[in-house]
Amino acid sequence: GNSVTQMEGPVTLSEEAFLTINCTYTATGYPSLFWYVQYPGEGLQLLLKATKADDKGSNKGFEATYRKETTSFHLEKGSVQVSDSAVYFCALKQGGSEKLVFGKGMKLTVNP
Amino acid sequence: GAVVSQHPSWVICKSGTSVKIECRSLDFQATTMFWYRQFPKQSLMLMATSNEGSKATYEQGVEKDKFLINHASLTLSTLTVTSAHPEDSSFYICSVGVLGQGVSGNTIYFGEGSWLTVV
Repeated sequence: GNSVTQMEGPVTLSEEAFLTINCTYTATGYPSLFWYVQYPGEGLQLLLKATKADDKGSNKGFEATYRKETTSFHLEKGSVQVSDSAVYFCALKQGGSEKLVFGKGMKLTVNP
Repeated sequence: GAVVSQHPSWVICKSGTSVKIECRSLDFQATTMFWYRQFPKQSLMLMATSNEGSKATYEQGVEKDKFLINHASLTLSTLTVTSAHPEDSSFYICSVGVLGQGVSGNTIYFGEGSWLTVV
């Protein structure tokens, strides 16, 4: 079946540090890939997405590239801010379904 | 602003009692809503698909008699944990798909989630 494996935390970084959160997936066919973020006290929000191989999703300084050859969708940001402190979830979705398969989530804390 | 509202955010209940969690779509009608659950250090797992006006579709391994889902209107789905036990303590979150946006024509919005602790 479909599954998502992502780097586990928690992770604590200093402001302006470089961030990478690894995510790999197992799926049949060609899923769409997502990163969701959950800020304290809020619901999950879509951070970025990619729908086909080699697509790059980007938003708020975060980027992730859909790599079919390595079945990966690693999230990166060159310089994190305190406001990036949140839990980050990698997820995939098949075809026209609205069902998401999630990774375990990773809590990021950025200190000033 | 929020597209999906979930209530309550936190609830503590005694073992053996029932707890109801509400999921409301605020700006649009939703024929389908999804309920997920996350145990500590585990993935968010889909529990069931809530269908307006009909029975919910449960994922394998989820007890439908324990987790009652009611989707009586196009803006409200409820999840009732019946005869709750400490092992039901978890994070429950709902989602709604909005047609016509994003991937495959749908954008998925999530509620804030509900933390259930059964003592």
